Amino acid sequence: QVELVESGGGLVKPGGSLRLSCAASGFRFSEFFMSWVRQAPGKGLEWLSNVGGDDNGKYYADSVKGRFTISRDNAKNSLYLQMDSLRAEDTAVYYCARNGPGIDNYFDFWGHGTLVTVSS
Amino acid sequence: AIRMTQSPSSLSASTGDRVTITCRASQFINSYLAWYQQNPGKAPKLLIRGASTLQGGVPSRFSGSGSGTDFTLTISGLQSEDFATYYCQHYYGYPPYTFGQGTKVEIK
Repeated sequence: QVELVESGGGLVKPGGSLRLSCAASGFRFSEFFMSWVRQAPGKGLEWLSNVGGDDNGKYYADSVKGRFTISRDNAKNSLYLQMDSLRAEDTAVYYCARNGPGIDNYFDFWGHGTLVTVSS
Repeated sequence: AIRMTQSPSSLSASTGDRVTITCRASQFINSYLAWYQQNPGKAPKLLIRGASTLQGGVPSRFSGSGSGTDFTLTISGLQSEDFATYYCQHYYGYPPYTFGQGTKVEIK
């Protein structure tokens, strides 16, 4: 069964950095695009970034472009999100999600999320 | 970027009711539309993809329709476990793959 487990969240000061990880299991990780989606407290869902199976095809939302970097390590079945220059408005639960097969970029499996709090 | 607009933002309904949520895209997205259900404190769950294809394991009381720019999610015979927030999301073309703002279905 597909499982996605995020880690790395926590409290960080404005301007600081954090690296999120997502451990994947139960499927051929390298064959799927993967994404990060976040949800600020009491707010809706915001797609942030995705990456192709061979670590190509990287796209970012305007809100994080130039500050966040997505990557993956297929040998470790892991997805990452390096977050730099963090701002208070980046406070949210961060989910990793598996994209659908091929060009179907809906999200068929989600992790439980990891909370990032940006505050001084 | 394509904007997704859901309506209503919230609704009150009773168990057994038929509920319809609409989602409008700011431009043509063919049928590249997904619906998700989210319960408080939980991750979203994929309900429908391709505007009308039910994801495996999702009860048949959920249905989706539409193409182009206008879409609907219908729950026929609301059950207690269906009181949640629902989001649409487009996946047409290149990112960003934006979500609607959500529709909270509450108990009347």
